[in-house]
Amino acid sequence: GDSVTQMEGPVTLSEEAFLTINCTYTATGYPSLFWYVQYPGEGLQLLLKATKADDKGSNKGFEATYRKETTSFHLEKGSVQVSDSAVYFCALSDRKDDKIIFGKGTRLHILP
Amino acid sequence: EAGVVQSPRYKIIEKKQPVAFWCNPISGHNTLYWYRQNLGQGPELLIRYENEEAVDDSQLPKDRFSAERLKGVDSTLKIQPAELGDSAVYLCASSAVGSGEAFFGQGTRLTVV
Repeated sequence: GDSVTQMEGPVTLSEEAFLTINCTYTATGYPSLFWYVQYPGEGLQLLLKATKADDKGSNKGFEATYRKETTSFHLEKGSVQVSDSAVYFCALSDRKDDKIIFGKGTRLHILP
Repeated sequence: EAGVVQSPRYKIIEKKQPVAFWCNPISGHNTLYWYRQNLGQGPELLIRYENEEAVDDSQLPKDRFSAERLKGVDSTLKIQPAELGDSAVYLCASSAVGSGEAFFGQGTRLTVV
């Protein structure tokens, strides 16, 4: 079945460092891809999405590009802030139905 | 626009007791999901509704879990009886049909003692 694999955390970086969180997926169809974020004490929020190959989703300085050839959707940010500390989840949604499958999450901790 | 509303936010119960969670999705969203999130893990789907029909309940432990979505709007998830291993955060989400983009409530943190 469909699945999402993302790098294990925690990831600890200094403020203004470059961030990459790797995500790869397995899908029988042609899914939409998402990154969700969960800030401490809050619910899951959609961070960005991409619906077709080579699409780049972006929001709040974060970017991810839908790479069909490598089945990847890596999350990047050029300069992280302390306020980016959160858990990040990569997810996919099959176009045949609305089932959303999540990765296990990557905890990000940014040091001032 | 109001988001997905869940209640209660926290619940502590003794094992073997029943518990119920309530979810009010975003107005107009036909698809409703219940997920369970264990500590340090990603959300795992329990059940998905299209309107009032449960279209995917393959991961719902049906011996103790039940869910309903009367009139295709609000939904309740029930556990009876609860076990220690049921301690987790229960998340409700909703989406517009075909969007694949889910909006989540803040979840209910269940602790079974």
